[in-house]
Amino acid sequence: EAGVVQSPRYKIIEKKQPVAFWCNPISGHNTLYWYRQNLGQGPELLIRYENEEAVDDSQLPKDRFSAERLKGVDSTLKIQPAELGDSAVYLCASSSRGTSYEQYFGPGTRLTVT
Amino acid sequence: GENVEQHPSTLSVQEGDSAVIKCTYSDSASNYFPWYKQELGKGPQLIIDIRSNVGEKKDQRIAVTLNKTAKHFSLHITETQPEDSAVYFCAARDQGGGSYIPTFGRGTSLIVHP
Repeated sequence: EAGVVQSPRYKIIEKKQPVAFWCNPISGHNTLYWYRQNLGQGPELLIRYENEEAVDDSQLPKDRFSAERLKGVDSTLKIQPAELGDSAVYLCASSSRGTSYEQYFGPGTRLTVT
Repeated sequence: GENVEQHPSTLSVQEGDSAVIKCTYSDSASNYFPWYKQELGKGPQLIIDIRSNVGEKKDQRIAVTLNKTAKHFSLHITETQPEDSAVYFCAARDQGGGSYIPTFGRGTSLIVHP
């Protein structure tokens, strides 16, 4: 079974530029999560989707961050414009009721904003 | 909300020694405690978990213990091997709360010297 796929793996951009991250969850997993992981810290939730509905986005900085999961499968997280403080690893995870909502993480996208 | 404290932040041991990582949590409603291993350049991977109705769980060389009264839980790795070197995260989650979002500790960098 394929795991959670994320792309790109690395991204370097200048501040004020836009950037987008893509995630393909494990097949059949209806719940998808985006996390941000700063250096030396644990993951922090940005947004959670149940199918195509965003059900928990209280930690998403909505002035510059947006996300979508149009068909309830793949998801895209966008930052526009990026700031220096956005440098982090962005992790996507997925889960399903059948696995008691245990989360399976992708490899992440390491974003560096210069 | 939940707050998870994890200690130590760095742990260095010799191959064959045991390693212990400790975590405390604040929300008495938390009843599910997963542990993740994150290797360099990869996302966190679930290695073991424990639910609040169990005091201890073992899986080969790793074990977790939970003290609900004191609100702390620990990861024990015996006969450590160089491939155990990674960052380990504890987390706490309320399975009945509906959000299924774990709160992570800050991580412990385990270094096993050959």
